[in-house]
Amino acid sequence: AQSVTQLGSHVSVSEGALVLLRCNYSSSVPPYLFWYVQYPNQGLQLLLKYTTGATLVKGINGFEAEFKKSETSFHLTKPSAHMSDAAEYFCAVSESGGSNYKLTFGKGTLLTVNP
Amino acid sequence: DTAVSQTPKYLVTQMGNDKSIKCEQNLGHDTMYWYKQDSKKFLKIMFSYNNKELIINETVPNRFSPKSPDKAHLNLHINSLELGDSAVYFCASSRGGASSGTQYFGPGTRLLVL
Repeated sequence: AQSVTQLGSHVSVSEGALVLLRCNYSSSVPPYLFWYVQYPNQGLQLLLKYTTGATLVKGINGFEAEFKKSETSFHLTKPSAHMSDAAEYFCAVSESGGSNYKLTFGKGTLLTVNP
Repeated sequence: DTAVSQTPKYLVTQMGNDKSIKCEQNLGHDTMYWYKQDSKKFLKIMFSYNNKELIINETVPNRFSPKSPDKAHLNLHINSLELGDSAVYFCASSRGGASSGTQYFGPGTRLLVL
């Protein structure tokens, strides 16, 4: 079984500050990990994903995430927040095999950016 | 061109009615999904289809019946609507499973059951 925990349902940062959104996962097999962003009244858009290989993954809009197996974490960071980053962020996990077709999402973290 | 489209965008209906939501993707993907997002923004998968074959059915009530007439379409029919069905329903598609393809989401259908 797979699960995702996002610490902090709401994170508030100042424009230009570091963004850190936390994600921990549980998986019985090597996981595939994703971060999606949802802007108000829109669908989800993939920011980045980790499947195999390099553990530091770079995504769109300056975001990156690092897969840490020992910590079962996949935290999302951005060095300098922009007003346009304000949105809901979802971490998700999938597994190999039959569960490859199932994404399990965390409960989301709302990011607000203050001017 | 819209990659994954859903109709209708908004749906307001009475308890007990039957309604359908349509989804189409023009990306040439072979896997399609339905997700439900509740009022607290929690996203949960309902169904996934690969090449028109049902792969995942996540303990969804029998009132919900997906239908995939071809690889580009996955419709969702809901019978005897209940208040708890009010949510945003997202369709998504990918090439293969999670490891091989990014899931592309539609804009969502906002269902309100009165």
